[in-house]
Amino acid sequence: VLTQPPSVSVAPGQTARITCGGNNIGSKSVHWYQQKPGQAPAMGIYYDSDRPSGIPERFSGSNSGNTATLTISRVEAGDEADYYCQVWDSSSDHWVFGGGTKLTVL
Amino acid sequence: EVQLVESGGGLVQPGGSLRLSCAASGFTFNSYAMNWVRQAPGKGLEWVSSISGGRGSTYYADSVKGRFTISRDNFKNTLSLQMNSLRAEDTAVYYCAKDRYSSGWPPFDCWGQGTLVTVSS
Repeated sequence: VLTQPPSVSVAPGQTARITCGGNNIGSKSVHWYQQKPGQAPAMGIYYDSDRPSGIPERFSGSNSGNTATLTISRVEAGDEADYYCQVWDSSSDHWVFGGGTKLTVL
Repeated sequence: EVQLVESGGGLVQPGGSLRLSCAASGFTFNSYAMNWVRQAPGKGLEWVSSISGGRGSTYYADSVKGRFTISRDNFKNTLSLQMNSLRAEDTAVYYCAKDRYSSGWPPFDCWGQGTLVTVSS
């Protein structure tokens, strides 16, 4: 089970931190997805902290212990979306998604 | 350009069957694992099933195991999901998604636009 806060609110220009909690998640690779209303999900930070081309440097990730974190610096209105974390659970051979976090830019 | 286009969604009665397809283009289809992910109305993402490239090993979420069957046709570059014994809780938009790399457990780097399945009498 991956636990995410249902919502995070932040003012423009501030830093948003979205957490993904799981038992010893630090031993797994975490992937993040962004989903805007009416759109399919889109890959974001992957393998904990790798950033694909096209994703701004304002997006970063970390993973240690029981918490992975997606950090969005200098938040913009366009960052408003739902964010999901994902891991592969090798004990069950299942992909697992977190419940998702709605990021609201105030 | 990588493209994934789902089809086959629609309205089906509880207990009925439906077959979803995903037409893939723009990459070497048989080299990559493929996946189905669903999203119930107003809810989060739920992984449904995956199939590896090559040998085609399959994986299923507990919620669909025994009812759904994932398959791929590497000649037609098509991914399929046969859904039997459908329940109201299977109502969702179903997305097909491609693995970013051809090995390991990489993220899903390309998603289709989704196809809506509604299970209702």
